[in-house]
Amino acid sequence: EAQVTQNPRYLITVTGKKLTVTCSQNMNHEYMSWYRQDPGLGLRQIYYSMNVEVTDKGDVPEGYKVSRKEKRNFPLILESPSPNQTSLYFCASSGTDYGYTFGSGTRLTVV
Amino acid sequence: AQTVTQSQPEMSVQEAETVTLSCTYDTSESDYYLFWYKQPPSRQMILVIRQEAYKQQNATENRFSVNFQKAAKSFSLKISDSQLGDAAMYFCAYRSRYTGNQFYFGTGTSLTVIP
Repeated sequence: EAQVTQNPRYLITVTGKKLTVTCSQNMNHEYMSWYRQDPGLGLRQIYYSMNVEVTDKGDVPEGYKVSRKEKRNFPLILESPSPNQTSLYFCASSGTDYGYTFGSGTRLTVV
Repeated sequence: AQTVTQSQPEMSVQEAETVTLSCTYDTSESDYYLFWYKQPPSRQMILVIRQEAYKQQNATENRFSVNFQKAAKSFSLKISDSQLGDAAMYFCAYRSRYTGNQFYFGTGTSLTVIP
């Protein structure tokens, strides 16, 4: 089944404790992206990647890191999480001419 | 950068009735894609319908159809015979064919279906 697998689905952590949210797709998509969703603000892009070893900042990259060492994987790293990073996070991938396939989302709470 | 505007934060519709969700966008490009995504309470993002800008014919998917007005930069979603399962947040999205294939999302419209 074509899908984007994102883990974990729920995560509660403390301020400053490094964490990684994993994202993997099995569709051989070149384009992958991370979004955060907050009430009233819609989906805001954090980082995106157009191919292996090619990443770029989205609209809200501060406090986040990504890497794209393999085509299928695009992890999101929070080196020192803060409460303002409490949000719903989505990973998504896409072929060239189509819409996104989204992961199931990660509900992150930073206390 | 392109912008996508959904001016209706919330809407409601009676079950079995028809509702139209509005979306406008700003772009100087001539070729692009437009999408509507549905996010039910399960929070999964589901692609509802897709429109290619160079196609004049409006896309349809069962009870879902769009009214694509390229000159007006308008892309509304019509849901016919509304069902309780249509209750969700709906996001309009624009994808550039040129600027790194970037996506741009609206802020969403929350649709309530009244039994």
